[in-house]
Amino acid sequence: GAVVSQHPSRVICKSGTSVKIECRSLDFQATTMFWYRQFPKKSLMLMATSNEGSKATYEQGVEKDKFLINHASLTLSTLTVTSAHPEDSSFYICSARTSGSIVQYFGPGTRLTVT
Amino acid sequence: GENVEQHPSTLSVQEGDSAVIKCTYSDSASNYFPWYKQELGKRPQLIIDIRSNVGEKKDQRIAVTLNKTAKHFSLHITETQPEDSAVYFCAASSSIFTGGGNKLTFGTGTQLKVEL
Repeated sequence: GAVVSQHPSRVICKSGTSVKIECRSLDFQATTMFWYRQFPKKSLMLMATSNEGSKATYEQGVEKDKFLINHASLTLSTLTVTSAHPEDSSFYICSARTSGSIVQYFGPGTRLTVT
Repeated sequence: GENVEQHPSTLSVQEGDSAVIKCTYSDSASNYFPWYKQELGKRPQLIIDIRSNVGEKKDQRIAVTLNKTAKHFSLHITETQPEDSAVYFCAASSSIFTGGGNKLTFGTGTQLKVEL
């Protein structure tokens, strides 16, 4: 139980284009999903917290107009990187938890490369 | 906000030896402390967690201790095996039940290498 998937696992896009990453909870309802960014050999940095049916809460320094987050259902949250630039290249990981639980389960991550 | 420090950044042990990783946190409101194991290019996997009403928790070869007064917690791995080699992250969070946001603040990670 408590499986979280992400799609795609890897994506390469050209500078200036947008890319969407999906995060799904496969066997539970995720009232809250979190989006993290991880640079090579570095820790996970929280970008935003997404609650189903409401606007995401972004961490300080994260541009909400650049990283669009939608949590339209209890099993799906999406992160759209708009007008991507090479510096947006990174490993993006989502996590999810159910209502009443503090435990976060992580997705397998998406490797984004912007050329 | 919460700040979590983790030491050491790298740790090399011989197979069968014990490994200890230490973390400190700054926010006294934090009451949930999970440990995650991450292999290269993979997702972080929860290996053990502890809540602030408990001082120690053990699961087979893995144990975690918590000192709330000193604001530090440690991961102990006994009888290490090569498959224990990975990056380990500690984290701290305040509970949703106490009004906290349940945001995890991660430590900087420890690269554990278990040598044959």
